[in-house]
Amino acid sequence: GENVEQHPSTLSVQEGDSAVIKCTYSDSASNYFPWYKQELGKRPQLIIDIRSNVGEKKDQRIAVTLNKTAKHFSLHITETQPEDSAVYFCAAFWGGGGGNKLTFGTGTQLKVEL
Amino acid sequence: DAGVTQSPTHLIKTRGQHVTLRCSPISGHKSVSWYQQVLGQGPQFIFQYYEKEERGRGNFPDRFSARQFPNYSSELNVNALLLGDSALYLCASSLTGTGGEKLFFGSGTQLSVL
Repeated sequence: GENVEQHPSTLSVQEGDSAVIKCTYSDSASNYFPWYKQELGKRPQLIIDIRSNVGEKKDQRIAVTLNKTAKHFSLHITETQPEDSAVYFCAAFWGGGGGNKLTFGTGTQLKVEL
Repeated sequence: DAGVTQSPTHLIKTRGQHVTLRCSPISGHKSVSWYQQVLGQGPQFIFQYYEKEERGRGNFPDRFSARQFPNYSSELNVNALLLGDSALYLCASSLTGTGGEKLFFGSGTQLSVL
């Protein structure tokens, strides 16, 4: 199976600064890596994803990078705003076993301070 | 355009009771997955269904069962509830249930077992 580790567990930044969240995965067969944002009491919302044939993907202020050799991927948020405050989860899809089961990290509580 | 809908939103049960949670996927999506999210942790995979067939099962006891109906909606059943079953139960839908597909989550059912 797959195991995903996520760091840091909490992250506090000043508004306008950048935030970086890092995840590592254990199985080199994993090939799809989504990131979810979950505000308090709300559903996890897919914000960006990357596939193993791509090294980097960007969507406005959000970017994700993937290093297959090191088996780690990171979420980068630039020009942070108070509405970016939430819990962020990384996840990995492991291709062996069928279906589309995702293995999630333990989450990062991001706080953007004014 | 409705997203993934789940019912009920909150539920309080006592130990030993049985519970049924319901989920309707996004229109056109044929696969439904269930995840358990304990406070402070990432979602953990329970089941995946596609075209009424089970496509994957996580590491959960046999007290947990699920099914999918011809209209692609799904039920998650938990028997003989334990205190440790208290969690947010999330339903996710995807188009065909194949690996690397985007997963869209509902807002969940918050289950409290007393």
